[in-house]
Amino acid sequence: GESVGLHLPTLSVQEGDNSIINCAYSNSASDYFIWYKQESGKGPQFIIDIRSNMDKRQGQRVTVLLNKTVKHLSLQIAATQPGDSAVYFCAENRGSYIPTFGRGTSLIVHP
Amino acid sequence: SAVISQKPSRDICQRGTSLTIQCQVDSQVTMMFWYRQQPGQSLTLIATANQGSEATYESGFVIDKFPISRPNLTFSTLTVSNMSPEDSSIYLCSVLEGEQYFGPGTRLTVT
Repeated sequence: GESVGLHLPTLSVQEGDNSIINCAYSNSASDYFIWYKQESGKGPQFIIDIRSNMDKRQGQRVTVLLNKTVKHLSLQIAATQPGDSAVYFCAENRGSYIPTFGRGTSLIVHP
Repeated sequence: SAVISQKPSRDICQRGTSLTIQCQVDSQVTMMFWYRQQPGQSLTLIATANQGSEATYESGFVIDKFPISRPNLTFSTLTVSNMSPEDSSIYLCSVLEGEQYFGPGTRLTVT
């Protein structure tokens, strides 16, 4: 069936490195994508979003890239900090206001 | 932004009993959602609860098992009925106010 999923369940990086978290989606009708960060014991928190008419969007230290040709989404975190350690979820919207969440990637930042 | 609180934050319950989870939002919101997040897994939408109407349940979730109340625009409850160990999970309340905001979750363990 159609789904949103992540390539790597766990990503370990050194503090100061750049992190790249990947996400594959299979529904070409998806038109809106969101990245969430979930810290231990907390609910997911919105990080950044991107619409299907864009291929790149930048925020503070984060960049989301969208490749519609291969149905791939990535989240890049620059100069990763220990406070970035969390589980990151991508989510897709298919013309509705309720996102479908992917599996999640655990980012571990080593000092 | 919306600030969401949930009660209880965690509970340990015996099988066959029921637990009601409360969700309080600091502003009036139309759209409220309840999610389940099983250990190490992603978020699964249980139902959408809009004030003044019956909750809309996703496939695999039924009102008899997860009754929901939405008495006003700032409050909702989710009851997990006749619990079994398979109901052990984190239950998250969420609202849509521009972007989607999540509560901290209620960690339920059923023994």
